[in-house]
Amino acid sequence: DVKVTQSSRYLVKRTGEKVFLECVQDMDHENMFWYRQDPGLGLRLIYFSYDVKMKEKGDIPEGYSVSREKKERFSLILESASTNQTSMYLCASSFYTGTYEQYFGPGTRLTVT
Amino acid sequence: GQQLNQSPQSMFIQEGEDVSMNCTSSSIFNTWLWYKQDPGEGPVLLIALYKAGELTSNGRLTAQFGITRKDSFLNISASIPSDVGIYFCAGHVRAGNMLTFGGGTRLMVKP
Repeated sequence: DVKVTQSSRYLVKRTGEKVFLECVQDMDHENMFWYRQDPGLGLRLIYFSYDVKMKEKGDIPEGYSVSREKKERFSLILESASTNQTSMYLCASSFYTGTYEQYFGPGTRLTVT
Repeated sequence: GQQLNQSPQSMFIQEGEDVSMNCTSSSIFNTWLWYKQDPGEGPVLLIALYKAGELTSNGRLTAQFGITRKDSFLNISASIPSDVGIYFCAGHVRAGNMLTFGGGTRLMVKP
């Protein structure tokens, strides 16, 4: 079974703090994705990566950056957290070619106060 | 860009009833996926569809890839309380590795 794990299930941070969200997958997937999920807005893609050290902006990259130093690990960074970044953050992974099925982690619910 | 319209947005049904939800798009997709998200968890893949007209079942769930390639349907038969959650459709087009997600259908089941 594919396993995608995220470093924290719940996180509370203060405005202006630098926040790191980490995601690890164990299926040797090339692609990894970061989404945020807000009520009424569905899943919105922040960034994705198709290889180590490669990244592409998604639909809402502003205020975020990412890092992929190893194939199995994809980090989302909030350089200076703001209250409008309070959300559920979901990481996913998939193979580069083939079925395009994405497998999700359990999510991190981030609250910025 | 592509958009997926998922309906209904929410459903409140009695245990034992059948459920039907759908996704439509103005664009053609070559893959349709259906996910379920339990409260407080990440989405879990339920069914994947790869060919226009394809009908696939997974237990009480049945999904179809529309013949026009612009829509997909998910049916749940004889609903039970653990069917509660948000159901998402997702589509893939030929270029790129990204999925486009529908807005979700929130299903509530009354015992």
